[in-house]
Amino acid sequence: NAGVMQNPRHLVRRRGQEARLRCSPMKGHSHVYWYRQLPEEGLKFMVYLQKENIIDESGMPKERFSAEFPKEGPSILRIQQVVRGDSAAYFCASSPWTAAGGELFFGEGSRLTVL
Amino acid sequence: SQQGEEDPQALSIQEGENATMNCSYKTSINNLQWYRQNSGRGLVHLILIRSNEREKHSGRLRVTLDTSKKSSSLLITASRAADTASYFCATDYLRDNYGQNFVFGPGTRLSVLP
Repeated sequence: NAGVMQNPRHLVRRRGQEARLRCSPMKGHSHVYWYRQLPEEGLKFMVYLQKENIIDESGMPKERFSAEFPKEGPSILRIQQVVRGDSAAYFCASSPWTAAGGELFFGEGSRLTVL
Repeated sequence: SQQGEEDPQALSIQEGENATMNCSYKTSINNLQWYRQNSGRGLVHLILIRSNEREKHSGRLRVTLDTSKKSSSLLITASRAADTASYFCATDYLRDNYGQNFVFGPGTRLSVLP
């Protein structure tokens, strides 16, 4: 059973370009979370999705950032017109949500560098 | 806001010693979890303690939870150089309508010196 798969692992973009980060959750997991991490810092929540539905996007900037988790295919975090401040590691995690709660399973992250 | 805060921010110990990290949070929780992150890697789940539990063990890990003080501690006994990593606590709580939120603290960077 493959774990959470993120790609690309490393992405370099120039200011003003678009960045697309993809995440395939673990098999059977229908909930996906995206977090952002700056060097030597903790994880900052961005968005929480279920298939075809955004449950909570309160941590995601209103402009330039969007996320989706279609019925078929991976979840995608899209950053338009990137700026240097977008440089960070972006982690995706999935969960087989139950009412009792559970753990998160993380991918290895996508490291975005904006030149 | 619901937020885990770990202390210390950084901890350096000798191999064989015990390492204790603490976490505080602000509001009621469903569970409290600890994760580990090696440099440049994703987070790995270590242990989950439910809000109605007070202590839990897993191998060399011991976690306590005090809901009256809204705090938790992670103890790693007989540390090894391979335990060098960042450790994060995460509080999770059920949303009013649907789903589960997780909030991570800033982490404790543990260095175990050989």
